[in-house]
Amino acid sequence: KNEVEQSPQNLTAQEGEFITINCSYSVGISALHWLQQHPGGGIVSLFMLSSGKKKHGRLIATINIQEKHSSLHITASHPRDSAVYICAVSSSNQFYFGTGTSLTVIP
Amino acid sequence: NAGVTQTPKFQVLKTGQSMTLQCAQDMNHNSMYWYRQDPGMGLRLIYYSASEGTTDKGEVPNGYNVSRLNKREFSLRLESAAPSQTSVYFCASSESILGSYYGYTFGSGTRLTVV
Repeated sequence: KNEVEQSPQNLTAQEGEFITINCSYSVGISALHWLQQHPGGGIVSLFMLSSGKKKHGRLIATINIQEKHSSLHITASHPRDSAVYICAVSSSNQFYFGTGTSLTVIP
Repeated sequence: NAGVTQTPKFQVLKTGQSMTLQCAQDMNHNSMYWYRQDPGMGLRLIYYSASEGTTDKGEVPNGYNVSRLNKREFSLRLESAAPSQTSVYFCASSESILGSYYGYTFGSGTRLTVV
């Protein structure tokens, strides 16, 4: 069983749609990270959360510690948002990763 | 530009050859990591170094060795490459404070093929 589960695995949206990607985890964590991997392969850290909600531009990340769940929202999606979004949790000295959600935004 | 630099970007090896992947960060981070990424499996931790002078095994350490040369550099060595080690390798670094990790930054990846 994976310590971090993401859904959906694949997501196709029309430009402008509101997008939600979900992440559930089963271990105690010190923080949760949302990462973005573009088709070229590079990985960028979007957010680090330990509670509540963070917003950066059109991206919003929330976490519910009691429910062990986080969501990443993208408002007014754009084709340049097309990427793989990866949820990761840090626990002690370990990181656990979800397998990613592949998002395609169609113009 | 500040960040994590890993080299090479691409490499093809024959089975049994050895090579070292280099990684350097200029953010003064304490912790550094090596991951491999395979289709359908997500990122898996090979080795990590919580601080200069320490290294620990991750989820998939077999067939690899690491060296934390100094605070900036963390190298990954394949002593005798096998086709199962064909993967994309990422180096990352972060600051760690009281068990929380900040400034998590990845290198651009090394695509390794073992034939």
